[in-house]
Amino acid sequence: GAGVSQSPSNKVTEKGKDVELRCDPISGHTALYWYRQSLGQGLEFLIYFQGNSAPDKSGLPSDRFSAERTGGSVSTLTIQRTQQEDSAVYLCASSNGGGTNTQYFGPGTRLTVL
Amino acid sequence: KQEVTQIPAALSVPEGENLVLNCSFTDSAIYNLQWFRQDPGKGLTSLLLIQSSQREQTSGRLNASLDKSSGRSTLYIAASQPGDSATYLCAVTSNSNSGYALNFGKGTSLLVTP
Repeated sequence: GAGVSQSPSNKVTEKGKDVELRCDPISGHTALYWYRQSLGQGLEFLIYFQGNSAPDKSGLPSDRFSAERTGGSVSTLTIQRTQQEDSAVYLCASSNGGGTNTQYFGPGTRLTVL
Repeated sequence: KQEVTQIPAALSVPEGENLVLNCSFTDSAIYNLQWFRQDPGKGLTSLLLIQSSQREQTSGRLNASLDKSSGRSTLYIAASQPGDSATYLCAVTSNSNSGYALNFGKGTSLLVTP
């Protein structure tokens, strides 16, 4: 079956513009995660969904970041008024939920803010 | 707060050598530990998942061990090949993580020379 897919694979935008990043998880996976990997930094957790609900948004870097998930499937991460420090690779992962299950990662979206 | 450390940060070995990558974590109350591989410009590939009740997992030339009480894991790669060149990431899921999100180390960059 298909793995986790993300689109676009690359996005170049100008400072101040809004961007939307999309994640299609593995079919049937209830949990969905967004992470960010900045140059020279480790992978940073942003937000997770259980079904369509995001119980904890405290990992989002600022209020310019928001995310939603619909139908227990596709998720979008929106960054408003992008800044240069938002440049990073944004990775999405999905799993069957719980603490014992493997998370499967998508290829990521490389965001460059000029 | 869970902190994950990987040593060394970079490693270069000639083809055929056996090698060990190290991972340590500060909070031993983990659900599981995963080792991932990341190729340049690509997403993450899960290599091995060790549940907290397990001591080791093996897949082909890879063997990962877990000593939860001391907060350590090692990834052993036997008979290394140039195709093993990549960044190897260690990540844990623990009680303190929101929604079983992964806490990552910063990785070990491995180069296997022919």
